Formats: sequence, structure tokens, C-alpha cells
Amino acid sequence: DAGVTQSPTHLIKTRGQHVTLRCSPISGHKSVSWYQQVLGQGPQFIFQYYEKEERGRGNFPDRFSARQFPNYSSELNVNALLLGDSALYLCASSLAGLAGGYTDTQYFGPGTRLTVL
Amino acid sequence: AQKITQTQPGMFVQEKEAVTLDCTYDTSDPSYGLFWYKQPSSGEMIFLIYQGSYDQQNATEGRYSLNFQKARKSANLVISASQLGDSAMYFCAMREDLSGTYKYIFGTGTRLKVLA
Repeated sequence: DAGVTQSPTHLIKTRGQHVTLRCSPISGHKSVSWYQQVLGQGPQFIFQYYEKEERGRGNFPDRFSARQFPNYSSELNVNALLLGDSALYLCASSLAGLAGGYTDTQYFGPGTRLTVL
Repeated sequence: AQKITQTQPGMFVQEKEAVTLDCTYDTSDPSYGLFWYKQPSSGEMIFLIYQGSYDQQNATEGRYSLNFQKARKSANLVISASQLGDSAMYFCAMREDLSGTYKYIFGTGTRLKVLA
């Protein structure tokens, strides 16, 4: 079975531009989470979507937004890019989100590496 | 607030030997889940092992085992018979429940280098 897929793998943008990152979850998974990983640090939670609704948001500015589609794929949008947005953006899918209990495990995709110049 | 601490920025181990990667956590919740992920240089986070707070036995998955000491709030990862392919970053994570959902909190990671 295919794992979590993300596109594109790499992206170079300039300050002030907009970017859209895409994620397809593992088949059957209804929950998608987005994380930002700056070089040398652990991933930081941005959003979680479950059944097409935003269920959780981390401490990120409103320039960051996301949505989940009926097929459970997801997009992460970042407006007005800053140099500090340069990072690896990871998408993770899980079967059931909070409803899955404490064993609900998140499986991560390969990430999109965003560079802002 | 919950917190994950990994105090070893880097570790070396000889091929075929065992290695322990440390992780301590801080939470006031009685129910929680602890996870270990491996991140090779390619960037993908690979799930290794899970331990629930109420699990009576330490989790094991192949060469990976989790040394769970609840009273000490530690969840160390033990890799037995290290292989060259085990060289990677390793992250400990804890699930934190939010209103209506949850998120993972990650430590800063430990870079493991397996020597031939």
C-alpha cells in the first residue's frame, strides 16, 4: 500500500510570495496533520484536519492556512512568505484522529523542503 | 504544558552492538502515548514504536524496544544489533490532547551514527 505522499518535494520561493503544499494520506486514513521542521529542530505542529474540518491549530500566524478535501487529501497554504518560513513541511496521516484513542499513530510523508530567498 | 527532552545530541555505536537513546517526558495527564520516529537524511519520519501509559509491558518491535520507566518519566529507545542503515536522527514524541483533537510534541532529536 502507498504511504503518505507529498508534492512537490522541493520548492524555492522569494519573500512575499504564496505557496501551496499538497498531501495525500494513506488509503483509509481520515486525519491529516501538518508539521513544520526547521533545520536542527523537531517538528512543530501546525494543523490537524479530520473529516474535512479543522480540529487543531498550533501557534502559527494567520498566514498559514489549510484545508482537507472530500478524498481526505489536504493542502497547506502559506501567504506572504518570510525567510523564516524556510523549513521541511511534513504531512502525517492517521486512521481516526482523536477518536482512535491513544494508539492512533501518525504516519509521515517524505516532506516538502521549502526555501524562501 | 507537556514536554519532551532528549539530552543526547549525537551518539556513536559500533555495528552489531546495542545502543540506548534517552527520552524523558513531562506531563500531568494520566493517559498518554509515547512514540519514537527515525528520520534518515531523506527527511521522512518513519514510525518505529509506541508505548501507552497504561501498558504493563515494554513495547518491542523487532530490533527496537522501549525501556519505559513510568515513575522516572523516561521512555528510552533500545536498538539491538545496530546496522549501518540505522544511522539517522531519532525523535521521541508524546501525544498531547487538544480540545477535539490531538498533536504530537517532539523532542530535539538524537543523531545516531553506526560505525563499521
